[in-house]
Formats: sequence, C-alpha cells, structure tokens
Amino acid sequence: DAGVTQSPTHLIKTRGQQVTLRCSPKSGHDTVSWYQQALGQGPQFIFQYYEEEERQRGNFPDRFSGHQFPNYSSELNVNALLLGDSALYLCASSSVAGEQYFGPGTRLTVT
Amino acid sequence: DQQVKQNSPSLSVQEGRISILNCDYTNSMFDYFLWYKKYPAEGPTFLISISSIKDKNEDGRFTVFLNKSAKHLSLHIVPSQPGDSAVYFCAASAGNTDKLIFGTGTRLQVFP
Repeated sequence: DAGVTQSPTHLIKTRGQQVTLRCSPKSGHDTVSWYQQALGQGPQFIFQYYEEEERQRGNFPDRFSGHQFPNYSSELNVNALLLGDSALYLCASSSVAGEQYFGPGTRLTVT
Repeated sequence: DQQVKQNSPSLSVQEGRISILNCDYTNSMFDYFLWYKKYPAEGPTFLISISSIKDKNEDGRFTVFLNKSAKHLSLHIVPSQPGDSAVYFCAASAGNTDKLIFGTGTRLQVFP
C-alpha cells in the first residue's frame, strides 16, 4: 500500500516564476492538506482540499492556490515566487476523523 | 503568534533512559493533540495523539500526558532507543477541523 507521494523531490526556481507541486494521497484517503515548513520551523498550514474544493485556508496570500482532482490527488501552485517561498512543502492526506499522513515533501529553492 | 510552543530545541538522552519532550499551547479551543516524529529527508510520521477529554494515552513505549489547566502536554519515551533520534513535533487542532498547528520541534538524540 503506497503512502503519500509527492513530486518533484527538489525544485529550483527563479524569483517571479510560477511552480506546481503534486501530491497523491494514501489509498483510501479523500482529504489533502498542504503545509509549508521553513528551515528551523514547524510545518505551517496552507490549505486543505476535500471533494475537490478548498475547505480551509491558513494565513497565506492568494499567490498560493490549489486544486484537487476526482481521484483525490492534488496540486499546489505558487505564482510570482519570492525568495521567502523557499521551503519544504509537505502534503498530508487523511480520511474522515483520521490522523494526517505526510508525504516526504518537495524542497523548493527560489533564487 | 506562536500558539504551540516547544521551548527546548534539543534534548540528549542515554539509551534505556526516559525521554520527556514538552509542549505548551495558548489556544483554549484546541481539543486534539498529536506528536509527530521526523527524520531528515522524510515527512513527519504520526506517533500518538490525545483528545482533550483524556489526560493520558499510552502506546507501547510512548505515552502522552495532557494537563489542560496548565495548557501543557508531554511525550514520554521509555526506554529510549538510538532509533528514536529524530525531530519531534507537537501539533494541535480545534473542533472538527483538520488544520494542524505545529510547534517548532525538539531534536532528540539518544546516545549509547
């Protein structure tokens, strides 16, 4: 049983560019949450998707957007990249009233 | 505003001894608490959780204690093993929301 998978593993982008990160949830899970983890910090909640809609959102600007597909996989899009967007982006999946299982993350570096 | 705080950035414990990791929170609406372990180059792995209606939950070598009046929880690992060396995150959520608020983590090192 595959756990949560994320792609790509690493990514280097230039300021002002746009990036798309992808996540496939654990089998049987229908909810996907995205977190940003800066160096030396704990993960910070970006948003959560359920039934292809954004259900909750953290304190992140509109440059951060997402999508969930009918197969429950999800994408995180970040526009107009800033140096401060450099971080580890974590995807977590869950089912109703269940714990969140995290993927290995995508390390984004903005230069 | 850091709603979940882990004030000890690091902890070093001898193998076989008890490891105690602490976490404080400020939001009285939090009613569900979790501990995650994170190895380098991996995502956080769920360890153990506790609901606010309980004050203790045990799973093998791991026990979480919750003191609601002090807004404090702790994770006890007994006995500690070298494979427990990792960064431990405390997280909390409120109501039926799945949004997790994480602390900054404590790096545990278990030495022989």
